[in-house]
Amino acid sequence: NAGVTQTPKFQVLKTGQSMTLQCAQDMNHEYMSWYRQDPGMGLRLIHYSVGAGITDQGEVPNGYNVSRSTTEDFPLRLLSAAPSQTSVYFCASSTTPGNTIYFGEGSWLTVV
Amino acid sequence: AQKVTQAQTEISVVEKEDVTLDCVYETRDTTYYLFWYKQPPSGELVFLIRRNSFDEQNEISGRYSWNFQKSTSSFNFTITASQVVDSAVYFCALDMDSNYQLIWGAGTKLIIKP
Repeated sequence: NAGVTQTPKFQVLKTGQSMTLQCAQDMNHEYMSWYRQDPGMGLRLIHYSVGAGITDQGEVPNGYNVSRSTTEDFPLRLLSAAPSQTSVYFCASSTTPGNTIYFGEGSWLTVV
Repeated sequence: AQKVTQAQTEISVVEKEDVTLDCVYETRDTTYYLFWYKQPPSGELVFLIRRNSFDEQNEISGRYSWNFQKSTSSFNFTITASQVVDSAVYFCALDMDSNYQLIWGAGTKLIIKP
């Protein structure tokens, strides 16, 4: 069972570089989201989508961009990486908000 | 404002002891959902339980049990006869019908010593 798949698992970027974290789910979930987790903290919502073509900002959206062209995919783009974006990123999906949320395995991003 | 507080930053117990992880939440919504997730050292997030605001029944799953009390806005998690494999960070989270943002506590790091 694939569930939620994130790539890459580890990435080192230089300040100013851009990159895309990929996220795909095979459960036909309408709701997808991206979170970041900083040391000693819980997860914070970056962006979310309630269906193909619909995205919205979460708690910490600055410096990130998303799109949702299909139900399955929800990539997260870092436009110009900064050291403050060093974090662990989790992609998640669920049928609707309030239902069980399934997470990817996480992507460890370091910006130097 | 919505908020989840896990006041216990770190708990350390000896194997086979019982341990309770506290979670206190704040919300003005009448419909909401509470979750517990486990994050082992490997880093993935493992779903443990989901509870909606209209179901205050306590739940037991093996060595795990959950006590939901709306009167005190608490959703505490107890591990009975703890094992070394229970060592992890445990997160409590709150989800409301009124918005799409899952609110997370800061987590409790649980260390089970052999």
